[in-house]
Amino acid sequence: GAGVSQTPSNKVTEKGKYVELRCDPISGHTALYWYRQSLGQGPEFLIYFQGTGAADDSGLPNDRFFAVRPEGSVSTLKIQRTERGDSAVYLCASSMQGIGTEAFFGQGTRLTVV
Amino acid sequence: DQQVKQNSPSLSVQEGRISILNCDYTNSMFDYFLWYKKYPAEGPTFLISISSIKDKNEDGRFTVFLNKSAKHLSLHIVPSQPGDSAVYFCAASASLTGANNLFFGTGTRLTVIP
Repeated sequence: GAGVSQTPSNKVTEKGKYVELRCDPISGHTALYWYRQSLGQGPEFLIYFQGTGAADDSGLPNDRFFAVRPEGSVSTLKIQRTERGDSAVYLCASSMQGIGTEAFFGQGTRLTVV
Repeated sequence: DQQVKQNSPSLSVQEGRISILNCDYTNSMFDYFLWYKKYPAEGPTFLISISSIKDKNEDGRFTVFLNKSAKHLSLHIVPSQPGDSAVYFCAASASLTGANNLFFGTGTRLTVIP
């Protein structure tokens, strides 16, 4: 497709379980971002990839969160031992070169931890 | 701490009139500013941006004004249309520092009344 695609669109999981969220960026975009949006808040930065490497992971809240982008395209955000506070919409964005050029967002994955 | 602030959570405007959405920031290193529009169940969509070397950028019905001394920017939409009803997020980055993340405000919900 032409846009950023995120799957699943909704995920309900039990507290303590492991989840994976997937992002397919726009073809040719080297920069990929993960953001988290809690209710009533703006998106909060989690991690930024330039190509295959995580260039900036300063936004990851703790070591339960991890993200990979092994081939420089698709990225997976992994959350271990989920907690109710992890419930949010997780947004992925991609751009041609990184900040300074516009980032295109996917529709997000709504994660609910019960 | 919130480095980008949108102090008005909501705004209602009559169709055909001007909508003015405001945004304040605290970090003097921010040099690139963007506005995103978000419909329910969709990711944010890029609307318009402005670099700190400018004080105005116009694109059709949308104009962004930047006042660096006041650390304030605003988005003007004229004339407003019912399809403009959405949540608008202001975002900023410090691209010249090499930072790669966007800082978002909490959003303003615009309702354009037909």
